[in-house]
Amino acid sequence: DQQVKQNSPSLSVQEGRISILNCDYTNSMFDYFLWYKKYPAEGPTFLISISSIKDKNEDGRFTVFLNKSAKHLSLHIVPSQPGDSAVYFCAARGSGGSNYKLTFGKGTLLTVNP
Amino acid sequence: NAGVMQNPRHLVRRRGQEARLRCSPMKGHSHVYWYRQLPEEGLKFMVYLQKENIIDESGMPKERFSAEFPKEGPSILRIQQVVRGDSAAYFCASSPRSLQGESSYNEQFFGPGTRLTVL
Repeated sequence: DQQVKQNSPSLSVQEGRISILNCDYTNSMFDYFLWYKKYPAEGPTFLISISSIKDKNEDGRFTVFLNKSAKHLSLHIVPSQPGDSAVYFCAARGSGGSNYKLTFGKGTLLTVNP
Repeated sequence: NAGVMQNPRHLVRRRGQEARLRCSPMKGHSHVYWYRQLPEEGLKFMVYLQKENIIDESGMPKERFSAEFPKEGPSILRIQQVVRGDSAAYFCASSPRSLQGESSYNEQFFGPGTRLTVL
């Protein structure tokens, strides 16, 4: 049962353009969402997060949007750079006693072409 | 400040052998989490430990798998009598305390992983 879904296994974008990575979730108990970036042979690196009480969070070139009614979030990267090429994982966690438990999507491989 | 360290980075075992994976959390972090990533899948939670305590092992298979985080030394994930289906990347993460609030400081920081191959 896939509670966090990233339906696009891969995305290719030109340098300087916008990259939009999408994520859907099914568990309405999730109230905090995160994006991790992963290079080959490395562990995931925390990128940006958003609480369910917000609909947008921005950090430099990275913005995460949350549409709680649609159970959908997206990560926007503007402008995209070749160094952004990596696998991006969407993750979610709930509130309460097990809020440490991250549920991950399968990831989207982003390729930014020079 | 060194990040989360895991060793070995690559481990090859034959079916029936034991695998021991080690994780040293970031300095000042007392909470350790283990995740497993099977091929073409996302990371899946296995176990959450604090020093000398297993807090939640709900994601860990009941048999052959065990984890510990002793008072001194690294956290250990132990897999006995490995089978081919255990082949995966095993990631350890640490955090400074129980995750609360929105500060990125509280998030889980991941190590580079151990890639286990069972022949």
